[in-house]
Amino acid sequence: GAVVSQHPSWVICKSGTSVKIECRSLDFQATTMFWYRQFPKQSLMLMATSNEGSKATYEQGVEKDKFLINHASLTLSTLTVTSAHPEDSSFYICSALGRGEEAFFGQGTRLTVV
Amino acid sequence: QKEVEQDPGPLSVPEGAIVSLNCTYSNSAFQYFMWYRQYSRKGPELLMYTYSSGNKEDGRFTAQVDKSSKYISLFIRDSQPSDSATYLCAMKESTGTASKLTFGTGTRLQVTL
Repeated sequence: GAVVSQHPSWVICKSGTSVKIECRSLDFQATTMFWYRQFPKQSLMLMATSNEGSKATYEQGVEKDKFLINHASLTLSTLTVTSAHPEDSSFYICSALGRGEEAFFGQGTRLTVV
Repeated sequence: QKEVEQDPGPLSVPEGAIVSLNCTYSNSAFQYFMWYRQYSRKGPELLMYTYSSGNKEDGRFTAQVDKSSKYISLFIRDSQPSDSATYLCAMKESTGTASKLTFGTGTRLQVTL
């Protein structure tokens, strides 16, 4: 299957700082990428849909000014958590649509805000 | 009522057993169905991707879709301890940039020696 690489796999930051998470499709071009958030023992919650060259589409209740998404190329999308607070601590996962429309996921990033 | 229902488990089976994992859904517009395996603190890994009703087999895994009953299943034959993970069903209505996935809550599977 296709490979999606997400970096970093874990990060600890101080409250009030910003954190950037990268999502790369390594062996295919992805015009569409998705960002999810997952709480312990719960399923994935879609945060936003990222389209190359255009603004991201955010799900209801997700603050676009807090979770900045940039999809500047066909292989890279970034999620920046701005002015992070402890309640932003979570597992963030990206996915990219493959040629056959199946979704491939990154390894996830565990963010801890202290 | 959730769009996709999945028993969270945990489901515990002995090594070598046949495992049956299931999801039901209410949205008849769902056309594409996927099963993912997720190990703890890792991203989901795509196991099966199906479109039409019927069976699809890949090694020890068989995915079954019954659109008339709005019911999908994943069967794992000869289960191994390494199959211990959370299994997520996912589905979507269409292809292209509007094709958001709707997930089940996931079923935790434990395969014991």
